[in-house]
Amino acid sequence: AQSVTQPDIHITVSEGASLELRCNYSYGATPYLFWYVQSPGQGLQLLLKYFSGDTLVQGIKGFEAEFKRSQSSFNLRKPSVHWSDAAEYFCAVVTGNQFYFGTGTSLTVIP
Amino acid sequence: ETGVTQSPTHLIKTRGQQVTLRCSSQSGHNTVSWYQQALGQGPQFIFQYYREEENGRGNFPPRFSGLQFPNYSSELNVNALELDDSALYLCASSLFMTGSNEQFFGPGTRLTVL
Repeated sequence: AQSVTQPDIHITVSEGASLELRCNYSYGATPYLFWYVQSPGQGLQLLLKYFSGDTLVQGIKGFEAEFKRSQSSFNLRKPSVHWSDAAEYFCAVVTGNQFYFGTGTSLTVIP
Repeated sequence: ETGVTQSPTHLIKTRGQQVTLRCSSQSGHNTVSWYQQALGQGPQFIFQYYREEENGRGNFPPRFSGLQFPNYSSELNVNALELDDSALYLCASSLFMTGSNEQFFGPGTRLTVL
């Protein structure tokens, strides 16, 4: 069965520091992978997606993610975090018409 | 281009009641998916509608039902509400069979069951 694991429930980083949010998936075939961000009381906004090809994908707001098949991972990175990046981040794998989301990682940014 | 909209924003119901949530899909999209997001959890797939018919369902009981209209808008109906139904309900629209499967989410409806 398809599943997504986000091992870090909560991460705190200083503004300007680098960030890496972990995501591991379980899926038999080549997955479609997504990262979404959710601000308090809001819906989900797409940051980036991977379907095939280059394993390093660029997204909005300076985010990037790297697909590593050997590790079944799709970690999200940002070289320099801004205070406005504080939010909940969700990794998702898609099979057919159904999204499977992880439980999310809450990011706190301290000045 | 109009994004995905949902109504109402917030809703309070009591156990045993019925509720209807509404979603208008993004312009040009023909598919609507519904998700339940409990507090502190990721969204869980309820079902998807395409061409006014259910096109996939997650692990939710039959008291969760839906409709899609010719203009691609959609409703989620929940009967016999239970306390555990309290959650944020998200609607997402997409264009079926584009290969991207990218879904665009609305802001959600916060349902509280007392």
